[in-house]
Amino acid sequence: IAGITQAPTSQILAAGRRMTLRCTQDMRHNAMYWYRQDLGLGLRLIHYSNTAGTTGKGEVPDGYSVSRANTDDFPLTLASAVPSQTSVYFCASSKGANTEAFFGQGTRLTVV
Amino acid sequence: GQNIDQPTEMTATEGAIVQINCTYQTSGFNGLFWYQQHAGEAPTFLSYNVLDGLEEKGRFSSFLSRSKGYSYLLLKELQMKDSASYLCAVRDSNYQLIWGAGTKLIIKP
Repeated sequence: IAGITQAPTSQILAAGRRMTLRCTQDMRHNAMYWYRQDLGLGLRLIHYSNTAGTTGKGEVPDGYSVSRANTDDFPLTLASAVPSQTSVYFCASSKGANTEAFFGQGTRLTVV
Repeated sequence: GQNIDQPTEMTATEGAIVQINCTYQTSGFNGLFWYQQHAGEAPTFLSYNVLDGLEEKGRFSSFLSRSKGYSYLLLKELQMKDSASYLCAVRDSNYQLIWGAGTKLIIKP
């Protein structure tokens, strides 16, 4: 079934540890995005990629990095986790910059 | 700054009609999206408006007025499964999506 897959679905992480959230899509979408969703706030863009080989910073990029080596994969790395990075993280993809986005099921991350 | 406003929570009765409003102030406009998000799940696409007017899709309709910076999502013949959060998002001049905090819709029997 075509779609977008995130792993892990949930994780408890010690502060200071490094963590990579995985995201894979098989829809051959050009654009991919990482959002965080916190209670009472809208989805906030962390990083995005309009096409393989390019990435850009979103609204809240500090403490996160991404890479886009190929069309399908868009991993998000927390170099040294802090409690304020406790959130639900959603990966999304879209065919182009002006089409609807499809979301993965999310990763619930708790940093303690 | 960029801003999307929607009511935090609304309550409606099964079988009734509800209108969820969204106002926006963004740097440029390249379309407005509505998404549905059930608790603990991912957002799913409902509708897209880029021109003024009403777009109808079954029980759901979405309206846009670009001059007023305003949209609404209209849900008819409400069902219990429509209990969810409804997210309004605007694509700005950089083609990035700016999201509202969402409206939690509670449906009562």
